[in-house]
Amino acid sequence: TQLLEQSPQFLSIQEGENLTVYCNSSSVFSSLQWYRQEPGEGPVLLVTVVTGGEVKKLKRLTFQFGDARKDSSLHITAAQPGDTGLYLCAGLIKAAGNKLTFGGGTRVLVKP
Amino acid sequence: DTAVSQTPKYLVTQMGNDKSIKCEQNLGHDTMYWYKQDSKKFLKIMFSYNNKELIINETVPNRFSPKSPDKAHLNLHINSLELGDSAVYFCASSQGGSPPGELFFGEGSRLTVL
Repeated sequence: TQLLEQSPQFLSIQEGENLTVYCNSSSVFSSLQWYRQEPGEGPVLLVTVVTGGEVKKLKRLTFQFGDARKDSSLHITAAQPGDTGLYLCAGLIKAAGNKLTFGGGTRVLVKP
Repeated sequence: DTAVSQTPKYLVTQMGNDKSIKCEQNLGHDTMYWYKQDSKKFLKIMFSYNNKELIINETVPNRFSPKSPDKAHLNLHINSLELGDSAVYFCASSQGGSPPGELFFGEGSRLTVL
């Protein structure tokens, strides 16, 4: 059983559409990070959220941290082919000894 | 300049062999990690070193032995390779110990055991 569940596992959309991916846990996150990984490369940090209810924007990407700090979402507006990749959430959970624990990832494919 | 570099990028070997993967970071970070990413893309921490000292050792078979000669290097040696060891191994570094900040990952080393 994973501490962090990401959904959906796979998402295929057309260029210009919007999408949302989710990261959930039954535990409270001390903080949560979102990474994007492209084929043949390592994950690269997109954002870190710390405060419950926090919303951060990175161009067309909007990250939201749940009020109870148990969940997070990533919303992409007007997706482009360059947004294609594996999106990983990683959380610090006290129940896991404050180690950074990764979710299983959501693979996003944006078709032109 | 590559921040976190690991070699080799690809490794194909027979069951039972011993192999090593090397990692170096030029970011001046104190903490380095080894992660294993399986075929389902699940990324799982294996080891973490802070200033050459082991601080995280997950339930990894003792065939896996990390070595940190200095805080800029963290190597991974694997003895008696098994089929299930096939995966992509990522080295990463971060500034500070616990809790970690941003992780900077290498490009990964894809290990295939035949």
